[in-house]
Amino acid sequence: NAGVTQTPKFQVLKTGQSMTLQCAQDMNHEYMSWYRQDPGMGLRLIHYSVGAGITDQGEVPNGYNVSRSTTEDFPLRLLSAAPSQTSVYFCASRGFAGGTGELFFGEGSRLTVL
Amino acid sequence: SQQGEEDPQALSIQEGENATMNCSYKTSINNLQWYRQNSGRGLVHLILIRSNEREKHSGRLRVTLDTSKKSSSLLITASRAADTASYFCATDWGGSNYKLTFGKGTLLTVNP
Repeated sequence: NAGVTQTPKFQVLKTGQSMTLQCAQDMNHEYMSWYRQDPGMGLRLIHYSVGAGITDQGEVPNGYNVSRSTTEDFPLRLLSAAPSQTSVYFCASRGFAGGTGELFFGEGSRLTVL
Repeated sequence: SQQGEEDPQALSIQEGENATMNCSYKTSINNLQWYRQNSGRGLVHLILIRSNEREKHSGRLRVTLDTSKKSSSLLITASRAADTASYFCATDWGGSNYKLTFGKGTLLTVNP
């Protein structure tokens, strides 16, 4: 099993450009989420999904869109990139939407916005 | 927002010594989790402790939870150089199991 796979690993954008960070999991997990990690700020939840067709906002959703058309995929879209979105982005999933359980993380996507 | 805060921010010890990291949080929780992150990598789950548990062990890890003080500690015994990493506590947020919030982490360095 590959677990949680994120692409690309590195990306440089110019201000105003758009892009999509891809996340796929092969564990048939209901729950998927996106976090951003910034120095001194820890990890902050951007958006999450409890199943196909269902998404909701986290702590810092502004500037990001998500969709969940399949159980496996949860892409994160930046419609008009800003330097403040320079960060490391992590996708994470867990088996069941409700209840407790460990999160499985991808290896991260490092985004720089110039 | 509900968030755990780890203490200390950084910890440097010698191989073989024990390492203790603490986490404080703001509101009631259903469970608390600890994760490890090696430099440049994703986070890896270490252990979960539920709100009705006081102590839990996993190998060289021992986690305690004091809900009256809203705090948790992670003890790594007989540390190894390979334990060098950042350690994060994570709690559910506002009674929701859907939103797991992380602290800023403790950077542990284990010197050979």
